Amino acid sequence: QVQLVESGGGLVKPGGSLRLSCAASGFTFSDYYMSWIRQAPGKGLEWVSYISSSGSTIYYADSVKGRFTISRDNAKNSLYLQMNSLRAEDTAVYYCARDRFRVLWWGQGTLVTVSS
Amino acid sequence: DIQMTQSPSSLSASVGDRVTITCQASQDISNYLNWYQQKPGKAPKLLIYDASNLETGVPSRFSGSGSGTDFTFTISSLQPEDIATYYCQQYDNPFTFGQGTRLEIK
Repeated sequence: QVQLVESGGGLVKPGGSLRLSCAASGFTFSDYYMSWIRQAPGKGLEWVSYISSSGSTIYYADSVKGRFTISRDNAKNSLYLQMNSLRAEDTAVYYCARDRFRVLWWGQGTLVTVSS
Repeated sequence: DIQMTQSPSSLSASVGDRVTITCQASQDISNYLNWYQQKPGKAPKLLIYDASNLETGVPSRFSGSGSGTDFTFTISSLQPEDIATYYCQQYDNPFTFGQGTRLEIK
């Protein structure tokens, strides 16, 4: 069955960097758009970024544009989110998700905390 | 970006009640709207896609309707396991969620 397992979250100081990874299994990874969606503590959902199956089409929310970079390695069935210049408002659970228009499959999430 | 206004932000109802949540888009999004359920500490679960289509395996007490800018999500008979936060999500341009509706048992 479809599995998405995020890793790489943790505590980082403002201005710091972090790289999230998502290991995918149970489906043909290279056939699907993939997304990162986040949820600040006690808050709603925000679509952060998505990447097409080949990597040629990428979207970023305005709140992360210029600071975050999404990428994928289809040979390793893995999705990544490089997060630079982190701010307190980036504190959230980050979910890896399959597809873009509607998300049927989600990872369990990884918590990123930006605090001094 | 398209803004999604979801209401109410919280709702208290009794088991067996009919529950309705609305979502209004800031511009016409046709039927490009999904509904999710999220329980505490869990990832969201897709319930309704394309405004009115029930995802496989989702109980038939859940339904959705609407098109254009106004959408409705309904639980026909509230069950205790339906306690959760519900989100609408548009995917017309590009993707935004409503702010959520927290549903509690009265």
